[in-house]
Amino acid sequence: EVQLVESGGGLVQPGGSLRLSCVVSGFSVTSNYLNWVRQAPGKGLEWVSVIYGAGSTSYADSVKGRFTISRDYSKNTIYLQMNSLRADDTAVYYCARHLGGLDYWGQGTLVTVSS
Amino acid sequence: QSVLTQPPSVSAAPGQKVTVSCSGSNSNIGSNHVSWYQQLPGTAPRLHIYDNDKRPSGIPGRFSGSKSATSATLAITGLQTGDEADYYCGTWDSGLNVYVFGSGTRVTVL
Repeated sequence: EVQLVESGGGLVQPGGSLRLSCVVSGFSVTSNYLNWVRQAPGKGLEWVSVIYGAGSTSYADSVKGRFTISRDYSKNTIYLQMNSLRADDTAVYYCARHLGGLDYWGQGTLVTVSS
Repeated sequence: QSVLTQPPSVSAAPGQKVTVSCSGSNSNIGSNHVSWYQQLPGTAPRLHIYDNDKRPSGIPGRFSGSKSATSATLAITGLQTGDEADYYCGTWDSGLNVYVFGSGTRVTVL
């Protein structure tokens, strides 16, 4: 059974850092595109980043230079390292697999950036 | 400002049909397959249409998708109260090398 489970969210001050994790089961993190998508309170979906099967990455302009996506094959987990956090980074962060479309999603983890 | 444009809301009575449009450009919809996602309040989005017009297992045949040039459409027939949700289109943008979502459309059953 395919499952994605995020963790690592919480309250952080502006300028701070946080690392999100997404533990994957049912397939290998090296075999599909894995994405981070976020949703600010009351707003729409915003794509954040992707790590491709071969390991290359891409980022939304809004997070480029501040966020880093990575993966650990041994733990079948992807990560999102978030630095220099701002108030407008406050959102529920989802990890999602792309196979045809974004076909499996985690339950999300809430990141709140506030002093 | 979303790269893909959707109407903020659409509505219809139970049993009727609604359509949701998604307008983009040559670098996104014009070059790549479109997906549609349903998001019920407080839950993660769920894929309802992929590759423009394909339905994942478990999605009723009342949901259909189509694409023409730089626009895509989601149609829901036999509308049910359980279909009340936000719907988002999404696709890759080859020019920007990113995934883009539409602004979202609230479907209301009158």
